[in-house]
Amino acid sequence: SQKIEQNSEALNIQEGKTATLTCNYTNYSPAYLQWYRQDPGRGPVFLLLIRENEKEKRKERLKVTFDTTLKQSLFHITASQPADSATYLCALDRGGSYIPTFGRGTSLIVHP
Amino acid sequence: GAGVSQSPSNKVTEKGKDVELRCDPISGHTALYWYRQSLGQGLEFLIYFQGNSAPDKSGLPSDRFSAERTGGSVSTLTIQRTQQEDSAVYLCASSLSGGAQETQYFGPGTRLLVL
Repeated sequence: SQKIEQNSEALNIQEGKTATLTCNYTNYSPAYLQWYRQDPGRGPVFLLLIRENEKEKRKERLKVTFDTTLKQSLFHITASQPADSATYLCALDRGGSYIPTFGRGTSLIVHP
Repeated sequence: GAGVSQSPSNKVTEKGKDVELRCDPISGHTALYWYRQSLGQGLEFLIYFQGNSAPDKSGLPSDRFSAERTGGSVSTLTIQRTQQEDSAVYLCASSLSGGAQETQYFGPGTRLLVL
């Protein structure tokens, strides 16, 4: 089965810096990878999807990369703001299933 | 339009009692998912409904867990004879048609505490 690793330690950065979060996976290469944001007491909110044939995807201050050789996705937030503080989850497909597998998420804390 | 709603938002129950959790998906969404999220854990898939197809129950942890979806809309997750290890946040999500790469829209969750 697919295993996903996200850094369990919180990432603390200063406002204005670029935050970089990592999602590593084992076993097969997924057809797609998604990133979600989750605030305390709320459900996850979809941010970006990147497909296996895409190297990079951007949306405003967000950028996602997908390296199938390294079995890794990086999620970047440029010019970070305290409002970006949240937990970020990555999710991968299960090899043909309609049900993604979610990582545990990494907490990001942006200090003013 | 309204998003996914769940009720109750919080539920405290005694060990051994049954609980029912409700999910109202986004109108028009044919796919509905239930997940469980324990402290510090990822989202654990429980069950998936898609239209009139038989649900995918492969994630249900035991036969104490069951779910139904009436009229292709509202879903109820039932946990019988609750145990303390059932304490978690139960999240419901819906998507337009259940396609593999579709965005899932999550509700706020029901926080279940079993004493």
